[in-house]
Amino acid sequence: DIQMTQSPSSLSASVGDRVTITCQASQDITNYLNWYQQKPGEAPKLLIYDASNLETGVPSRFSGSGSGTDFSLTISRLQPEDIATYYCQQYDDSPLTFGGGTKVEI
Amino acid sequence: QVQLVQSGAEVKKPGSSVKVSCKASGDTFSNYALSWVRQAPGQGLEWMGAIIPMFGTSNYAQKFQGRVTIIADESTSTVYMEMSSLRSDDTAMYYCARLVLGYSSSFRYFDLWGRGTLVAVSS
Repeated sequence: DIQMTQSPSSLSASVGDRVTITCQASQDITNYLNWYQQKPGEAPKLLIYDASNLETGVPSRFSGSGSGTDFSLTISRLQPEDIATYYCQQYDDSPLTFGGGTKVEI
Repeated sequence: QVQLVQSGAEVKKPGSSVKVSCKASGDTFSNYALSWVRQAPGQGLEWMGAIIPMFGTSNYAQKFQGRVTIIADESTSTVYMEMSSLRSDDTAMYYCARLVLGYSSSFRYFDLWGRGTLVAVSS
């Protein structure tokens, strides 16, 4: 199975800060990488697909980059509503696997 | 509005089985796969398996092979996930999620999620 390692596991930042979360795959997954946001008590929500494509309706302060084994999700200016846990997910091979999550707090 | 509506919470005894449903609307059954992802309390997301209703084909994570069955009823646009031999560590929120398909019906990303079904396993 492809292992996905996220860092940090949690972070605290201020409103307006630039926040970056990283995700490393255990093998080359080209750009087969997605990002999700999960707020407490809610189902996950797709933010970014294919490493860098913003899902319709997602604010432009979210962006994704990377290829191969190293990827990142950036929130350009953190907002209070961005408090959530963020997960990466690869689809290069079955089983589909997720990173362990990064909890973002203010 | 396209949505996935899941069945209600379940409480089960160890060793028993559970069957959770997910009713889809819109063109979900025609153009997507439907998948199950679980999340134990305070833990991350774990993919269990998926079915492509238009082909009737299922794919499971090795961990769940033989213990989980995913079926689709096209007449009601409903997908079911049945898990047998339940253990206490199967206690989790079980999410139904729509999977966008790529080249050769490969799985890509989850673009729509149900609200989840809590399954609690306790003696």
